[in-house]
Amino acid sequence: DADVTQTPRNRITKTGKRIMLECSQTKGHDRMYWYRQDPGLGLRLIYYSFDVKDINKGEISDGYSVSRQAQAKFSLSLESAIPNQTALYFCATSANRDTGELFFGEGSRLTVL
Amino acid sequence: GQNIDQPTEMTATEGAIVQINCTYQTSGFNGLFWYQQHAGEAPTFLSYNVLDGLEEKGRFSSFLSRSKGYSYLLLKELQMKDSASYLCAVMDSNYQLIWGAGTKLIIKP
Repeated sequence: DADVTQTPRNRITKTGKRIMLECSQTKGHDRMYWYRQDPGLGLRLIYYSFDVKDINKGEISDGYSVSRQAQAKFSLSLESAIPNQTALYFCATSANRDTGELFFGEGSRLTVL
Repeated sequence: GQNIDQPTEMTATEGAIVQINCTYQTSGFNGLFWYQQHAGEAPTFLSYNVLDGLEEKGRFSSFLSRSKGYSYLLLKELQMKDSASYLCAVMDSNYQLIWGAGTKLIIKP
């Protein structure tokens, strides 16, 4: 089984719908991240969390919210999806601040019609 | 602003050597990272440079010059499985990773 698991892997939805992407990890890492990836652009950070009580906005947090339900679980929500949120979403974990070695989930491809 | 530049696409021949360049301008520097991403898959960590010089790991090497804001990833003895995108990322003064758009490497027989 993968150390970082994302569900769903693929989702097609309509404008205005609420969507939740879930991430769970078995690596025991405190730090978790949500990124989106669009063609021709680098990975962009949406939200990150250093522990259950610490959640921070990233570069592009507008239109998104997150919940850190436990050390192992970090969910991303789109309260009212719009077409320009169509993208590949990745959850990632890291062991500590100083390491740039991230462990990524397999990705969740979201299409908003 | 912060910026990472790398070529969009490169083509090389199986068995050859290829060098993928990355230049950066960031607010501070706490390390440079290379990741490999096969199409439709997650990025996976390849290498880390924080001091100037060359780091070698098997067929892959990564070089850093902090004064020039420059790095390269060198892939030797190319194999078809090396066809992938290679992502350059820099950790800034806030320990945030800034990502380049990636270089798609196409390997031809």
